[in-house]
Amino acid sequence: DTGVSQDPRHKITKRGQNVTFRCDPISEHNRLYWYRQTLGQGPEFLTYFQNEAQLEKSRLLSDRFSAERPKGSFSTLEIQRTEQGDSAMYLCASSGGHNNEQFFGPGTRLTVL
Amino acid sequence: GDSVTQMEGPVTLSEEAFLTINCTYTATGYPSLFWYVQYPGEGLQLLLKATKADDKGSNKGFEATYRKETTSFHLEKGSVQVSDSAVYFCALTQPEGNYQLIWGAGTKLIIKP
Repeated sequence: DTGVSQDPRHKITKRGQNVTFRCDPISEHNRLYWYRQTLGQGPEFLTYFQNEAQLEKSRLLSDRFSAERPKGSFSTLEIQRTEQGDSAMYLCASSGGHNNEQFFGPGTRLTVL
Repeated sequence: GDSVTQMEGPVTLSEEAFLTINCTYTATGYPSLFWYVQYPGEGLQLLLKATKADDKGSNKGFEATYRKETTSFHLEKGSVQVSDSAVYFCALTQPEGNYQLIWGAGTKLIIKP
């Protein structure tokens, strides 16, 4: 296993369009996280899955955002009706067992024009 | 709520200089503390961690000691190299719950030859 992967690495879209990002965690990890990072800031927590269950969502996650993790494997993050303020790096991380160390993917950089 | 404060950057040093990047936190109980590093164009990587008071995390010549009395986790390295140029993030997570990471804003480190 080569770690956490994310696709696409870059996405440019026009305001109002929908976008979907994918994250493939480390295969044996049961916990999956999405974070958002804007320039010059640390990441901000968006949502958390344990296996297929979405257990927590940040108040940052508006109704335009939805995330899924079918079958507890890969996860998708969809943003509907994108706004310029959604431009950011979207990071996925996974962890497992009693070790709370999170391993991060390379991120998807979203630019909304 | 929990929070992490890091010294603002950029920090510019000459090669072989001594490095300190300050990190303090506000949290209930006994969080785990982390330093992550983000090299240009790459994803976040765990640099070191400490899970209880007086623990010292170390990796690649970097060290940080978990100081409960001063709520600090300062990052140090005795002799920096140009290859250490990156953004460094201090973060914490609580030992229970969803283990989401709470992040500082990051400190950009520039090492000049």
